[in-house]
Parts: sequence; C-alpha cells; structure tokens
Amino acid sequence: QQQVKQSPQSLIVQKGGISIINCAYENTAFDYFPWYQQFPGKGPALLIAIRPDVSEKKEGRFTISFNKSAKQFSLHIMDSQPGDSATYFCAASHTSNDYKLSFGAGTTVTVRA
Amino acid sequence: DAGVIQSPRHEVTEMGQEVTLRCKPISGHNSLFWYRQTMMRGLELLIYFNNNVPIDDSGMPEDRFSAKMPNASFSTLKIQPSEPRDSAVYFCASNWDLPNTGELFFGEGSRLTVL
Repeated sequence: QQQVKQSPQSLIVQKGGISIINCAYENTAFDYFPWYQQFPGKGPALLIAIRPDVSEKKEGRFTISFNKSAKQFSLHIMDSQPGDSATYFCAASHTSNDYKLSFGAGTTVTVRA
Repeated sequence: DAGVIQSPRHEVTEMGQEVTLRCKPISGHNSLFWYRQTMMRGLELLIYFNNNVPIDDSGMPEDRFSAKMPNASFSTLKIQPSEPRDSAVYFCASNWDLPNTGELFFGEGSRLTVL
C-alpha cells in the first residue's frame, strides 16, 4: 500500500501564482521528507528536503511546511514560472532503514504564461 | 561529472522475450536502487543493493524479475519472460552511505514496451 498519500494529482497555475502540493504519511518512524522534481523524459531529481526537527524550510521560491502532529507536509512554489512545469513527488524514509524512500503518487504542475 | 547511466533508453520487445536493463552508478556511490514507474502505481522500489549485496528485494514483483550487481560500477535488471504488464519506465538510482544525506541520484530511465 502507498505509505505516502499525495494530492492533488494535477494542478494548473498562472505565472506568478502559488502552487501548493500536500502529502500525508502514517509511519511515525519516518524522519526524512524530500521532494523530487521530474521533467518529461528525465529521472527525478532532489528539489528540497526537511527533517522533523523543523517546521519549515525555504530554498529560493520553494518552501516545505511540516506538521509533525498531523503527519502532513506540503510544498509551496511561490511566484510559479513556466520552467516549474514538472511532476513533483513527495517521499519519506527513516534513517534506520537505509533511507529507502516511499514516494507519493506525484503531482503534475502546469504553469501557464 | 557523469551521472547515473542507464541503457537502453528505449526498448520495444515482444511478449516472452528476455529483457536486460543496465545501470552504471555514479563513481564512489555504494548504494544502488532499481525503481519502476507507471501511471497506475507511481514509483515503486524493486530492489536495493549496498556494497554490491542485495539488501532488500521485497519489491521485485515475481520470479520473472532478477537483478545483479557483479561489481561497484555495474548492475543489471533482467525480466524473463517479459509480459505486456511489465511495460514501464525503469529507473536506476545511486547514493553513498558515508555520510548518507538521503539524496538519491537517478538516471534518465529505460522505457520498456512489451507488445
């Protein structure tokens, strides 16, 4: 079964808008939560990651918000650009399990110019 | 620096044929992962090697699938016999565990179509 549930499946946003993708997990042993970005015909690439000792991490226009009590985390893409059009995967793992990642189903983001 | 290299990039074969997918991890990485990506099931971990030893193959769908890592710079994923439901993109990824940052480096994938 999918250990990480991701929504929405797809979203369309206007250039300059905010894209928000949500993920939820059940396994409280998870202690590493990365987001991967995948362009068509390419493999996923790490975008940003967070550990549960912080509630938010920001890198440029990308921000992860983490809610440990709710077992949820989300990716916010601020000032979305056409070059951000891609599929985004949330994932989770626990360091005691050799960092085996469980991926969400993915969200296809389309940024309209 | 070269990333993870996979071959072939595309493979079209007929049901019942043997398929071999190849992967060269990033030099110095000692962990290697094979993933399968489909629209229906997303990214699924098939098998994970550490220091060339298979650690977890619980994701391998059935006996038709096998994977080997004869040395630190090469791994294969074999499907024999192949079936149409095996059609997917197969990704190889690698990283190192000392220190383990958790980041996986993916190849560009091998797109398999079984007719």
